[in-house]
Amino acid sequence: SQTIHQWPATLVQPVGSPLSLECTVEGTSNPNLYWYRQAAGRGLQLLFYSVGIGQISSEVPQNLSASRPQDRQFILSSKKLLLSDSGFYLCAWSVPRSVDNEQFFGPGTRLTVL
Amino acid sequence: GIQVEQSPPDLILQEGANSTLRCNFSDSVNNLQWFHQNPWGQLINLFYIPSGTKQNGRLSATTVATERYSLLYISSSQTTDSGVYFCAVEAMDSSYKLIFGSGTRLLVRP
Repeated sequence: SQTIHQWPATLVQPVGSPLSLECTVEGTSNPNLYWYRQAAGRGLQLLFYSVGIGQISSEVPQNLSASRPQDRQFILSSKKLLLSDSGFYLCAWSVPRSVDNEQFFGPGTRLTVL
Repeated sequence: GIQVEQSPPDLILQEGANSTLRCNFSDSVNNLQWFHQNPWGQLINLFYIPSGTKQNGRLSATTVATERYSLLYISSSQTTDSGVYFCAVEAMDSSYKLIFGSGTRLLVRP
């Protein structure tokens, strides 16, 4: 069965510091991968998605970037964090090239920027 | 872009009661999913239901795609049902991207 991991689970970072969040998926090949952010008390917003190694699509202009160095690894980064980057970051995956694009989510990383 | 509205925003139930959560969307969709977000933030897949009716235990869902709404039914609610329920849709003109509603926050009291 497929499993999705995210780390760290929680992170407290000062403004201006760099960021690296990691997501890995097990049990499937060439998954579609997604990064979402959830602000406090709100729904999720898609930040990036990837259909393959090195293929990244950005949905929202922002202070963040994403990379996919390996088939089942998705990384969310920032060079300099802003206060507004605080939130709950969730990684998701779906079966590639599928008519049914059901997405499955990881446990999330709670980021606080001070 | 497509709009997703969920109602009610908040719901308090006594254990054992039934409830219906609604999701309205403004355009045709390829995909509709219902999620339960538990107190630890984990999003749990409940249903993948772009059309039709599905049931899983005490939960069931119905999507009427032609009328652009979906309903989630919770019967005989339990305290473990507490959390936030999200509806998310993928518009027909926007592959991959799930648009989330703002959720229904459910509290089930013992």
